Amino acid sequence: GAGVSQSPSNKVTEKGKDVELRCDPISGHTALYWYRQSLGQGLEFLIYFQGNSAPDKSGLPSDRFSAERTGGSVSTLTIQRTQQEDSAVYLCASSQRGGRYNSPLHFGNGTRLTVT
Amino acid sequence: GQQVMQIPQYQHVQEGEDFTTYCNSSTTLSNIQWYKQRPGGHPVFLIQLVKSGEVKKQKRLTFQFGEAKKNSSLHITATQTTDVGTYFCAGRDTNAGKSTFGDGTTLTVKP
Repeated sequence: GAGVSQSPSNKVTEKGKDVELRCDPISGHTALYWYRQSLGQGLEFLIYFQGNSAPDKSGLPSDRFSAERTGGSVSTLTIQRTQQEDSAVYLCASSQRGGRYNSPLHFGNGTRLTVT
Repeated sequence: GQQVMQIPQYQHVQEGEDFTTYCNSSTTLSNIQWYKQRPGGHPVFLIQLVKSGEVKKQKRLTFQFGEAKKNSSLHITATQTTDVGTYFCAGRDTNAGKSTFGDGTTLTVKP
């Protein structure tokens, strides 16, 4: 596809359940980012993958959050035992390269997560 | 760690007035990017500045990178209703692998 694809676009889950959010980056992009955005708020960094390097997990808010990127392409963000404060829009972005010569981020449309 | 501060948080203007948002970093930046997020949308890349003192223009938008590469600004001349949204800066520290986003400035324009 032409852009970053995220699925599902909306997810409603009950408190305590696990959820998986998927991100398909633009083909060939080596860097992939996950951000969280609460209503009317800024972008909260969660995790950053760059090529085959160890991911930067410094933004993950708790050990209930984890992410993986398989084959340097698709990424999955998993939230275990969801809490109501996890409700937000989860945005994925990819860029052609990261590191020293980081190029513009291309964002997906996000997954709106609602925990009831 | 690196901090990127953006002011003001909100700005309400009458259509035709000018608008400026400022971005300040606690550390020297290798580059700075600007993004626009329309209401209900996702951030979209506008521009990247790399050189000290660099100034770039896109129609009514003027972007500046400070001489010390620690601050930047976005100025919109004669705002239009299509300019509404939240403008984010994202600065990359010279020693970091990723950029840090500011909290954004949300612009509303009264017609």
